[in-house]
Amino acid sequence: GQQLNQSPQSMFIQEGEDVSMNCTSSSIFNTWLWYKQDPGEGPVLLIALYKAGELTSNGRLTAQFGITRKDSFLNISASIPSDVGIYFCAGLNENRDDKIIFGKGTRLHILP
Amino acid sequence: DAGVTQSPTHLIKTRGQQVTLRCSPISGHKSVSWYQQVLGQGPQFIFQYYEKEERGRGNFPDRFSARQFPNYSSELNVNALLLGDSALYLCASGGVEGTLSLGGYTFGSGTRLTVV
Repeated sequence: GQQLNQSPQSMFIQEGEDVSMNCTSSSIFNTWLWYKQDPGEGPVLLIALYKAGELTSNGRLTAQFGITRKDSFLNISASIPSDVGIYFCAGLNENRDDKIIFGKGTRLHILP
Repeated sequence: DAGVTQSPTHLIKTRGQQVTLRCSPISGHKSVSWYQQVLGQGPQFIFQYYEKEERGRGNFPDRFSARQFPNYSSELNVNALLLGDSALYLCASGGVEGTLSLGGYTFGSGTRLTVV
């Protein structure tokens, strides 16, 4: 079945640093998604990418849909304490069942 | 506006028991999906329902079942609970056509199930 490899598994950074994480897939997706999950909450959609090569920003977040449709990255600029959490990449092939395939997540820690 | 509401928030069950989890989608949303999130992993797709019909099923045993009601709320049932069923169960509510591009999926905060 389809699998997503997300890296790194965890990151420890200083406040103000930029962050980069990526996701690769064994198969093609026509939609890539990036979610953030805080403790005790469900995932919240940050960015959705619909076209190969698309580069989309949401505030300090920027994500790109790889041209092969098998990868995506998420960058966070000038990290702040509230960026702490788990970031998930996810792929979707919109068809009859809209099944979202999630990566295992990147846990972001910000050092004081 | 209320988001996706799930109940209960937490529960503890014994192996072999049965459990029913409930989800109310965002008003106007007709699609509900269920995901299982084991600790340290990403969510895994269990079911999707749209307009009371099952549209998709993930790789889960028949012990897992679900249904959607006329008001678009949904229940997830798990029979003969195993220790490995301990997880956060997430419900996602979909937009007008239930697809991401037409409004996106919004997740609830989940039900934390512990099987002992």
